[in-house]
Amino acid sequence: DIRMTQSPTSLSAIVGDRVTITCRASQQVGKYLNWYQHKPGTAPKVLIYDVSILRSGVPSRFRGSGSGTDFTLTISNLQPEDFATYFCQQSYSSTRTFGQGTKVEIK
Amino acid sequence: QVQLHESGPGLVKPSETLSLTCNVSGASMTGYYWSWIRQSPGKGLEWIGYILYSGATNYNPSLESRVTISLDTAMTQFSLKLTSVTTADTAIYYCARDQRQDWSDRWLDPWGQGTLVTVSS
Repeated sequence: DIRMTQSPTSLSAIVGDRVTITCRASQQVGKYLNWYQHKPGTAPKVLIYDVSILRSGVPSRFRGSGSGTDFTLTISNLQPEDFATYFCQQSYSSTRTFGQGTKVEIK
Repeated sequence: QVQLHESGPGLVKPSETLSLTCNVSGASMTGYYWSWIRQSPGKGLEWIGYILYSGATNYNPSLESRVTISLDTAMTQFSLKLTSVTTADTAIYYCARDQRQDWSDRWLDPWGQGTLVTVSS
């Protein structure tokens, strides 16, 4: 299986901050790297797919970048509704795998 | 707009079979793969497997010996069966639409809200 290592596992931030979350794959995953937002009790939502493409309706303060095995999710100008858990996921392999998640909390 | 909703028993005894159903509404299941994913307490997400609308399946090797995913004939829902459960199978179980049949659009969208299944005697 392709192991996805995400960091940090949690972070504290204030409204307006810029936040960066990294995801490293144990082998190359091509363009098949996705980012999701998850709030407790709700369905996870895809924010970014294929490394850097913003899903329709997702604010432009979310940005995905990277290539090969190293990827980044950046949230600029953090908003109150952005406090959630974020996780990366690869679909390069037919066995999907996920990062362990990053919980973004209010400082 | 596609919507998914999981249903099934919230409590299963050890050694028994966990059975869940994902109801798909708002669109046809044709042309897509459909996945099951779970999240154990305090742990990350684990992909369980997927099924194509034609019935072809692929499972996580770590669970393959205990998992069956099937499709109903009306193609409005798909199901998960996990046999010989233990407390380690306690988790929130999610269903989600996966990639297209031609392997494009390889992301999970949308997801259901999830259903908690507890394995306990």
